Amino acid sequence: DQQVKQNSPSLSVQEGRISILNCDYTNSMFDYFLWYKKYPAEGPTFLISISSIKDKNEDGRFTVFLNKSAKHLSLHIVPSQPGDSAVYFCAARDSGGGADGLTFGKGTHLIIQP
Amino acid sequence: DTEVTQTPKHLVMGMTNKKSLKCEQHMGHRAMYWYKQKAKKPPELMFVYSYEKLSINESVPSRFSPECPNSSLLNLHLHALQPEDSALYLCASSLLTASNEQFFGPGTRLTVL
Repeated sequence: DQQVKQNSPSLSVQEGRISILNCDYTNSMFDYFLWYKKYPAEGPTFLISISSIKDKNEDGRFTVFLNKSAKHLSLHIVPSQPGDSAVYFCAARDSGGGADGLTFGKGTHLIIQP
Repeated sequence: DTEVTQTPKHLVMGMTNKKSLKCEQHMGHRAMYWYKQKAKKPPELMFVYSYEKLSINESVPSRFSPECPNSSLLNLHLHALQPEDSALYLCASSLLTASNEQFFGPGTRLTVL
């Protein structure tokens, strides 16, 4: 049973436009959410995170929105650049649960077209 | 030094071989992790070390044996693996197990013949 779901395996966006990557979760105990970016042959690179006490966190071109009632978060990249082409993983953590690992979604492959 | 390094990058082994994967970080992190990632699947947690002690073993078969010789090093000893163990093995670290952000190494691509 997948606790973190990324329902779009891939997404194609034109350079300069907004990329929106979505993530849903089922475990209401998750209280911290992270986005990782992964290039081929590299490990995941931390991008941005959000605590469940917030509904928005912004860092440069990247903004993460959290809707706790819908158990949904999204990553907005604007403007999208060719170097943003990668696989993006949504991850979640129950910081009080004693399980110290991250639970990942399956990833969304973002392709930025020139 | 702000990275997690892993060696080797690629490893091919037979089912009777014994090999080890190595992970190193010099960020002063006291929590280290092993994840396994199969193709088109998310990374899945295998082991967690906190202050060089194993704190979590996510029901991993005994043919995988982790070791944390010091606060900077994490090994994964492999013995009598099966072809279905072929995967990308990712090491990660965080300041503490209570820390939310984990930093990942590039992974070791393991193929078991």
